Amino acid sequence: QVQLVQSGSELKKPGASVKVSCKASGYSFTNFAVSWVRQAPGQRLEWMGWINTNTGSPTYAQGSAGRFVFSFESSVSTAYLEIRSLEAEDTAVYYCARVISEGGNWFDPWGQGTLVAVSS
Amino acid sequence: DFVMTQSPDSLAVSLGERATINCKSTRSLLYSSNNKNYLAWYQQKPGQPPKLLIYWASTREFGVPDRFSGSGSERDFTLTISSLQAEDVAVYYCQQYFTLPITFGPGTKVDIK
Repeated sequence: QVQLVQSGSELKKPGASVKVSCKASGYSFTNFAVSWVRQAPGQRLEWMGWINTNTGSPTYAQGSAGRFVFSFESSVSTAYLEIRSLEAEDTAVYYCARVISEGGNWFDPWGQGTLVAVSS
Repeated sequence: DFVMTQSPDSLAVSLGERATINCKSTRSLLYSSNNKNYLAWYQQKPGQPPKLLIYWASTREFGVPDRFSGSGSERDFTLTISSLQAEDVAVYYCQQYFTLPITFGPGTKVDIK
């Protein structure tokens, strides 16, 4: 079945970097973009952007460009989210999701989520 | 940005009763050229990722029970659970994909009364 499996929780200090992985299975990886969505404690889901796994072109939401970097390795069907210069406000659960672009853009399925906690 | 709001923030419904969740966009999500509303609904159970329920405002995803239905157009949308089951306890989110950035509603928590 179609599945996205993310890497485990991370505890980082402010200023450090973290790289979250998202391994896809059950479908052709390069046929669907992968989106990243974060959910800070008590907050709504926040779309961060996506990466076109066919062309390699990323699209970042305003505020995500700069410290957030999307990448992928098609040989292992894995997408990555790197967050640089971590801040306490980056503490959140980060989800990857396959983008269904049948004229629109909705997300199905989602990875199980990766908690990134930033604390000194 | 298209801002999404939801009401109520939470609701408690008896088993077997109807639950209704509202979602409102600051701008119309109806694309005139194809007459489709660019809105999806998700269910998020505790400790789990969101799960797609509905897209195009009213098209149920494969495998989603038919007690879940979506309706509405332009700026106002509704997710209805016709007969609440215990496994429906969750937070429900609407999402617009009419334009970037994609935005979500704040969520509505559904509990059993």
